[in-house]
Amino acid sequence: SQQGEEDPQALSIQEGENATMNCSYKTSINNLQWYRQNSGRGLVHLILIRSNEREKHSGRLRVTLDTSKKSSSLLITASRAADTASYFCATGGNAGGTSYGKLTFGQGTILTVHP
Amino acid sequence: GAGVSQSPRYKVAKRGQDVALRCDPISGHVSLFWYQQALGQGPEFLTYFQNEAQLDKSGLPSDRFFAERPEGSVSTLKIQRTQQEDSAVYLCASSLVRSRNTEAFFGQGTRLTVV
Repeated sequence: SQQGEEDPQALSIQEGENATMNCSYKTSINNLQWYRQNSGRGLVHLILIRSNEREKHSGRLRVTLDTSKKSSSLLITASRAADTASYFCATGGNAGGTSYGKLTFGQGTILTVHP
Repeated sequence: GAGVSQSPRYKVAKRGQDVALRCDPISGHVSLFWYQQALGQGPEFLTYFQNEAQLDKSGLPSDRFFAERPEGSVSTLKIQRTQQEDSAVYLCASSLVRSRNTEAFFGQGTRLTVV
């Protein structure tokens, strides 16, 4: 079963604009990860944020986590056409649960960046 | 190899036929996961191996699904008597250690179509 829900389901922007995607989840987590998927390269890990972290940056990516609201957001700044892909959040390891990195994915946001 | 390799990339099976999907993880990776991704959905966990031991098979949808990793490296997912609802992309992922807080590396998947 799907753990989280992403919104929006689809997002269309112009190159250079920022893109924000949101993810909500239901159970307690150890960490939350964001992945990108396109037809050429499969699923690629973008960033991992632990449950005791509130914000993390990696290049043009900024991820926030609010465990009290069970939600996370992914911000892509200065978007490029090459950012066009589906983006998934995935929760890893319930607190007190599995220790081996089983991931529970949301349904994804389809991002289209127009040149 | 450089990444996780899956074969075949595409498989068309007649309903009732048995299929075998192969995964070559990154050399030295302890953890290996299989996920199933239906069209327009996020991946869903099927099973987990730590080396050759199958520690979690809670996501396998029926007893027609069987996975093995006999020598702790290559893994095979076998589906017996395929049904149309088995049509999906099957993703394999590996990670270096057994840990919640570690990145998973995904293969490009095998797209199975049951006709």
